[in-house]
Amino acid sequence: SQTIHQWPATLVQPVGSPLSLECTVEGTSNPNLYWYRQAAGRGLQLLFYSVGIGQISSEVPQNLSASRPQDRQFILSSKKLLLSDSGFYLCAWSGRGFDEQFFGPGTRLTVL
Amino acid sequence: AQSVTQLDSQVPVFEEAPVELRCNYSSSVSVYLFWYVQYPNQGLQLLLKYLSGSTLVKGINGFEAEFNKSQTSFHLRKPSVHISDTAEYFCAVSRDTGRRALTFGSGTRLQVQP
Repeated sequence: SQTIHQWPATLVQPVGSPLSLECTVEGTSNPNLYWYRQAAGRGLQLLFYSVGIGQISSEVPQNLSASRPQDRQFILSSKKLLLSDSGFYLCAWSGRGFDEQFFGPGTRLTVL
Repeated sequence: AQSVTQLDSQVPVFEEAPVELRCNYSSSVSVYLFWYVQYPNQGLQLLLKYLSGSTLVKGINGFEAEFNKSQTSFHLRKPSVHISDTAEYFCAVSRDTGRRALTFGSGTRLQVQP
């Protein structure tokens, strides 16, 4: 069966520090991968999605970037964190049929 | 582009009572529809989905939803809720062709009281 992992589970970082969140998927190949952010009391906002290695689409202009160095690995990064980057970050994957997405357990990021 | 409106940010209900969580969407193209549930500090779990066919969709944990194309709605229902149903519920849509990333509503907090 397929599983999706995210780490770390929680992270507290100072403003201006770098960020790297990792997401890996097991049990499937060639998945579509997604990064979402959930700000406190709000819905989910799509940040990036990827249909293959090295192929990244950005949905909103922001302080973050994403990379897909391997088929089942998706990384969210920032060179300098802002207070507004705080939130709950969720990684998801879908198969080539696209009909539903499966979510990871999430990373709670607090920027102080 | 698609958009999703969840009309109620919070829905308090007593245990064993019925509940309906409302969802309306807007799209210029055909869509797929989803309901996800999120328990505190966890990821999202799919409750049910509508892709095509019967407009009444049954999901996990006794939930069901009805797709109404004329009213562009996809309301979630459960005839009798449990304390364990307390969670955040998200309605989402995606296009049925091309780019299919999900567009989410802002969520509805279901609070089941004893």
